[in-house]
Amino acid sequence: EDKVVQSPLSLVVHEGDTVTLNCSYEVTNFRSLLWYKQEKKAPTFLFMLTSSGIEKKSGRLSSILDKKELFSILNITATQTGDSAVYLCAVEYNTDKLIFGTGTRLQVFP
Amino acid sequence: DAGITQSPRHKVTETGTPVTLRCHQTENHRYMYWYRQDPGHGLRLIHYSYGVKDTDKGEVSDGYSVSRSKTEDFLLTLESATSSQTSVYFCASSRATGFFHTEAFFGQGTRLTVV
Repeated sequence: EDKVVQSPLSLVVHEGDTVTLNCSYEVTNFRSLLWYKQEKKAPTFLFMLTSSGIEKKSGRLSSILDKKELFSILNITATQTGDSAVYLCAVEYNTDKLIFGTGTRLQVFP
Repeated sequence: DAGITQSPRHKVTETGTPVTLRCHQTENHRYMYWYRQDPGHGLRLIHYSYGVKDTDKGEVSDGYSVSRSKTEDFLLTLESATSSQTSVYFCASSRATGFFHTEAFFGQGTRLTVV
């Protein structure tokens, strides 16, 4: 069965902390892995990863993919209260399917 | 942001009635998706489309049908709504560039309550 598993399910930190979110997957014919941030409404795109070992960065956020071990991590450094959200990992596989994990709920307190 | 809109944004309906949700995109994206989001389950794929009149089932397709008669519109129909279909429904679209898709862009969601 194709699946995407995220951990931890939830995380509570203080501003300034660094967090690491995990995403592991088992799918047929992997194509790409995507990270999204969901606040109150629609998920918004963060990163798309297709190659192992190449880090994608955007400000304080970074992500890397390991296609051999079938996982990805999303790092957020110097967290801020605005980083509070649900972070979703999705994997594109087979021909056109996009499957999501259940998400990690991050709460950042001042 | 991609131009993708869902209608209605909120709906309350009675058990046993048919319901149609509409997704409209102005980006000429080839691929469109319908997901439902429930606590503890994340986003689950209901149906998706890879072109006009080309659709396929996702992981939770029972009780739902879709149609795509134009590139820009993807309709989701609950044939006979049940309380278990109370959820938030998200539509998404993406385009393909060679082997990979680009990221999927999401609509704002439709909150459906079946009473």
